[in-house]
Amino acid sequence: GQQLNQSPQSMFIQEGEDVSMNCTSSSIFNTWLWYKQDPGEGPVLLIALYKAGELTSNGRLTAQFGITRKDSFLNISASIPSDVGIYFCAGRPFGNEKLTFGTGTRLTIIP
Amino acid sequence: DTAVSQTPKYLVTQMGNDKSIKCEQNLGHDTMYWYKQDSKKFLKIMFSYNNKELIINETVPNRFSPKSPDKAHLNLHINSLELGDSAVYFCASSQDPRSYEQYFGPGTRLTVT
Repeated sequence: GQQLNQSPQSMFIQEGEDVSMNCTSSSIFNTWLWYKQDPGEGPVLLIALYKAGELTSNGRLTAQFGITRKDSFLNISASIPSDVGIYFCAGRPFGNEKLTFGTGTRLTIIP
Repeated sequence: DTAVSQTPKYLVTQMGNDKSIKCEQNLGHDTMYWYKQDSKKFLKIMFSYNNKELIINETVPNRFSPKSPDKAHLNLHINSLELGDSAVYFCASSQDPRSYEQYFGPGTRLTVT
């Protein structure tokens, strides 16, 4: 089935640094979403994107729906300790009703 | 107030047993889902119900049987549990089938020994 590849797989950064991660697919997507999962919890929706080129912010988080409709990006500015977790992209492929999740990016903040 | 809740949080059982996981949402959503997250954290949809009707049924062994008594509840019953069923199971809900903003429960960690 459809797969979404996230990059990088893991990140080790210092507090205060900016973070960038992306998600790519081999086919066109109509919707992109970004979730964050804390240990022992369910994924929490961060940002939803519905149009190619759309740029949406949620506090220090900014996500973009790629122009080609085959990718999406998430940036986190001035990281803080509570940003630690696994970030998942998710998308709805064109012509498909199901949401497909990416492989996840694990963010760790080094003291 | 918890939006999507699941019970139990942890479930440890032996192979061959039958177990159920319950899910409730108080968001007034029409659509509910079950996902399985494996040890590599990969999330995969199993089932989806809209207003108590099954609308998505992925390639899941028929030992797994979802039941939706009303649109606020979606339970998952698993028969003859196998070692490979060990995973975290998440319930989620959305406003309707065309709304892809899904809200997840806290998960149920199932361990089969």
